[in-house]
Amino acid sequence: GENVEQHPSTLSVQEGDSAVIKCTYSDSASNYFPWYKQELGKGPQLIIDIRSNVGEKKDQRIAVTLNKTAKHFSLHITETQPEDSAVYFCAAAYPYGGATNKLIFGTGTLLAVQP
Amino acid sequence: SQTIHQWPATLVQPVGSPLSLECTVEGTSNPNLYWYRQAAGRGLQLLFYSVGIGQISSEVPQNLSASRPQDRQFILSSKKLLLSDSGFYLCAGNTGTGLEQYFGPGTRLTVT
Repeated sequence: GENVEQHPSTLSVQEGDSAVIKCTYSDSASNYFPWYKQELGKGPQLIIDIRSNVGEKKDQRIAVTLNKTAKHFSLHITETQPEDSAVYFCAAAYPYGGATNKLIFGTGTLLAVQP
Repeated sequence: SQTIHQWPATLVQPVGSPLSLECTVEGTSNPNLYWYRQAAGRGLQLLFYSVGIGQISSEVPQNLSASRPQDRQFILSSKKLLLSDSGFYLCAGNTGTGLEQYFGPGTRLTVT
């Protein structure tokens, strides 16, 4: 069945360093890969996404890469700041029903940026 | 862009009591709507989704039900809550043709 694995489960970095979170997915039909940031007690916030016809996308300090052959995608955060501390979720979308898509989420990565 | 509203923000209910959580959407028409549950700050589990008024699909058989009485309203209900229903409930939506799902602020439910 559909599955998304996410690593690491926790990540601690010094302010200014880079952070990388990796995910793998199981179903080659997946066509869309969003990343969410969730702060304590809040709903997940979409921070960046990538579609299956693109290999890399960048938005300021955040970038996402996709390797469809290996079924891997990764989130890269450069020049980390304390406000980047949060839980990050990857997800893979599977089209079905013709009118919607189903997101399968990874288990989350708790990122702690030490000042 | 669309905005997802949820209420209440927090709720404490005794075992066996009924439940009604509401989600409303503004900024778009004919959205696809989703209810997720999140336990212990990790792992979002899809409970229900809806592509239109009165159309509900259930992902996981359980003590909960969902309804969509209006285009931009999605309700999560239970007739009798269980302790295991405690968790953080999130509503999400996307446009009928869009892939991006946007989440509401969530409802923290504690069943005592």
